[in-house]
Amino acid sequence: AQSVTQLDSQVPVFEEAPVELRCNYSSSVSVYLFWYVQYPNQGLQLLLKYLSGSTLVKGINGFEAEFNKSQTSFHLRKPSVHISDTAEYFCAVTPGGTSYGKLTFGQGTILTVHP
Amino acid sequence: DAGVTQSPTHLIKTRGQQVTLRCSPISGHKSVSWYQQVLGQGPQFIFQYYEKEERGRGNFPDRFSARQFPNYSSELNVNALLLGDSALYLCASSSTGPGFHEQYFGPGTRLTVT
Repeated sequence: AQSVTQLDSQVPVFEEAPVELRCNYSSSVSVYLFWYVQYPNQGLQLLLKYLSGSTLVKGINGFEAEFNKSQTSFHLRKPSVHISDTAEYFCAVTPGGTSYGKLTFGQGTILTVHP
Repeated sequence: DAGVTQSPTHLIKTRGQQVTLRCSPISGHKSVSWYQQVLGQGPQFIFQYYEKEERGRGNFPDRFSARQFPNYSSELNVNALLLGDSALYLCASSSTGPGFHEQYFGPGTRLTVT
């Protein structure tokens, strides 16, 4: 079984400041890792994913994340945020080698960008 | 191309009633998964269907059931509704075959049980 812990439930930040949203996971097998964004009253949109290879992955809207196997972390970063980045962000995992298996999500981090 | 569609958008039911939620996957996608998102929490996996067969089930009571039709659309049924069933129900579809396939999420159905 897998579990995901998002270390911050809420992150307030000013526009154009950098931000990091933290995610740790637990699994007895290798995993694929994901970050999703959810805007109010909408479904989930995939920001980026780590399947294998380079541990630094780049996603949409200027976001990137780094996979750290020894620390079992997959933190999301953006060097300069915009008001439009205000949303809830979810870290998720699925067993590695799974073609389309179930996702296990963290509790979510609400990012609020202030002007 | 149309994304994943779900109906209805919102729904209000009374405790003890039954509800059916519907999902149409992206054209060409044969796998459908259902997730429950309670307010303030991350989505939790309920079911996955592929080729009309259940391929996975999360830790939900037997009051929850689902099925997939020949056109790959899916229905989620919940019987004997409890207040705790109030949530956003998300449907996701993906293509299948070798290699990894991303799950694409619909906008969800907001169920309120009173």
